[in-house]
Amino acid sequence: QKEVEQNSGPLSVPEGAIASLNCTYSDRGSQSFFWYRQYSGKSPELIMFIYSNGDKEDGRFTAQLNKASQYVSLLIRDSQPSDSATYLCAVHHTTSGTYKYIFGTGTRLKVLA
Amino acid sequence: EAGVAQSPRYKIIEKRQSVAFWCNPISGHATLYWYQQILGQGPKLLIQFQNNGVVDDSQLPKDRFSAERLKGVDSTLKIQPAKLEDSAVYLCASSLDNRPRYFGPGTRLTVT
Repeated sequence: QKEVEQNSGPLSVPEGAIASLNCTYSDRGSQSFFWYRQYSGKSPELIMFIYSNGDKEDGRFTAQLNKASQYVSLLIRDSQPSDSATYLCAVHHTTSGTYKYIFGTGTRLKVLA
Repeated sequence: EAGVAQSPRYKIIEKRQSVAFWCNPISGHATLYWYQQILGQGPKLLIQFQNNGVVDDSQLPKDRFSAERLKGVDSTLKIQPAKLEDSAVYLCASSLDNRPRYFGPGTRLTVT
């Protein structure tokens, strides 16, 4: 089982809809969770992070964390064509005193105008 | 505030040749990371520095890859000799803590 799993997509949604991106992780000791956006040919940029169970909202983005079920999701409201990108989930945990920060393979999102 | 700088942006070499990449992190950022991102995959950590000390290099192929961060500022990553499977984008990132926040533009390496 991969440490961080994401559906590679593409996930296609119409403009104005809610895009829902999911990520599951295997290490129950994982402490914090991050979402990055990566446009084609560009570097990842951090858009959200969440540490506690529940929801965290930032503008059109909402991160949701459920540690019991070991999943974290990202909701994008009022999706725009400019949101079309690959969304990377990353999980941070400490193993034997060493910090581990693991990226998933990303989900490609296409917002259709 | 200047971002993370990397050079070169693109490099094409033949297998068994050597190559070096350079990274200058955001000023004051103690933590510097080198990631390898193969097309269609997420970034994989090669090495993490805290100032000029190595925090994690568990996934660095040490028989061919080396990295240094002299004086705790800029860093170089070297591959010698290169293999076809080293073709990837090499990303440098920096942060004030243990979570990579700011990425450079990357160096796209093609090994032929």
